[in-house]
Amino acid sequence: DAGVIQSPRHEVTEMGQEVTLRCKPISGHDYLFWYRQTMMRGLELLIYFNNNVPIDDSGMPEDRFSAKMPNASFSTLKIQPSEPRDSAVYFCASSYRATEAFFGQGTRLTVV
Amino acid sequence: KQEVTQIPAALSVPEGENLVLNCSFTDSAIYNLQWFRQDPGKGLTSLLLIQSSQREQTSGRLNASLDKSSGRSTLYIAASQPGDSATYLCAVFTGGGNKLTFGTGTQLKVEL
Repeated sequence: DAGVIQSPRHEVTEMGQEVTLRCKPISGHDYLFWYRQTMMRGLELLIYFNNNVPIDDSGMPEDRFSAKMPNASFSTLKIQPSEPRDSAVYFCASSYRATEAFFGQGTRLTVV
Repeated sequence: KQEVTQIPAALSVPEGENLVLNCSFTDSAIYNLQWFRQDPGKGLTSLLLIQSSQREQTSGRLNASLDKSSGRSTLYIAASQPGDSATYLCAVFTGGGNKLTFGTGTQLKVEL
């Protein structure tokens, strides 16, 4: 398996634009996690899914953030409208039954 | 709410030293604990996974221990090398919804 795949690797966008981050988990994994990492706040859990169903979205900072998992092999994190303070590295991770978690390489988002 | 803390926040040691990184968590109802390594500008690499029924795991020069009752885990690195320089993070899968919560990280620098 190629591991967790995230796209794009880098995204630069203007304030107010819509941003969509994508994640393909490892095949067979039933948990998918979205994290945001900044120097100030470290790794923050935004939302996670089990069998494509959102379990806990309490970490989503504002209504501008939304996440979907339409099937077991794909998830998106959308920010609309984006703001400069959303600039961070966004990670996706997957695991099977709360065992070992594997991370993607991340998407570095810059909002100018 | 699970809170995970890592001490120290930063550590600088000369090459060849043995060292210990600490991780503590507030809710002992965990399934697993996982240690990760993160190099600057990179994703997270899994180092060791300790299941809740285990007391320790070893991989090469790394040894991780877990004491659920006291809410603590340690990562022991033997004979440190400059290539070990990175940020080390611990994370716990907490009971219920299998939420994966990260610690604050320890930034390690091994000097020649």
